[in-house]
Amino acid sequence: DSGVTQTPKHLITATGQRVTLRCSPRSGDLSVYWYQQSLDQGLQFLIHYYNGEERAKGNILERFSAQQFPDLHSELNLSSLELGDSALYFCASSVDPAGEETQYFGPGTRLLVL
Amino acid sequence: EDQVTQSPEALRLQEGESSSLNCSYTVSGLRGLFWYRQDPGKGPEFLFTLYSAGEEKEKERLKATLTKKESFLHITAPKPEDSATYLCAVQGGANNLFFGTGTRLTVIP
Repeated sequence: DSGVTQTPKHLITATGQRVTLRCSPRSGDLSVYWYQQSLDQGLQFLIHYYNGEERAKGNILERFSAQQFPDLHSELNLSSLELGDSALYFCASSVDPAGEETQYFGPGTRLLVL
Repeated sequence: EDQVTQSPEALRLQEGESSSLNCSYTVSGLRGLFWYRQDPGKGPEFLFTLYSAGEEKEKERLKATLTKKESFLHITAPKPEDSATYLCAVQGGANNLFFGTGTRLTVIP
């Protein structure tokens, strides 16, 4: 158990819908990262927040957005969902803002868009 | 552009048969190279971080090494419970982790 929690574990929805994925980092970690993992691609970095502020963006679509709240939990919002958005979404946390400390991953949310 | 290539894509070993996994990388200003283990349907589990060429780290049957262009994960006398996908990631100047697609290891009893 990494100490990072993600909800829900599984999510099934339809194209065009909007969903919210939630992540609680390890106690004491200020950085939260979001990744997407699909079958044909490896882990793709989406976005990084540190203590409520966006630090870096990766391959995140405009239909996707995220935020980190004062209690340090983070939410990833996916809208206008397409079939290709079906994937595992992982959250990771670390202590430092530059991510040079180890990132610890949560168990993931499996999203299926029908 | 940062790039990570892992080989082989898949590897089948007999229990006790040692081998190595390769991670070749291209990155601007390497800040760290990370090895993770991932079981099916689960999040990656941290194994090692290497920061500079020549560095080595060990944990049980695993040993990671780093050169200026690649890293190796050596598995000595593997057991069936070592079966998993092993992921390599690099962190460059942009601070983000860039992952390879992994090596899927199967250890046969």
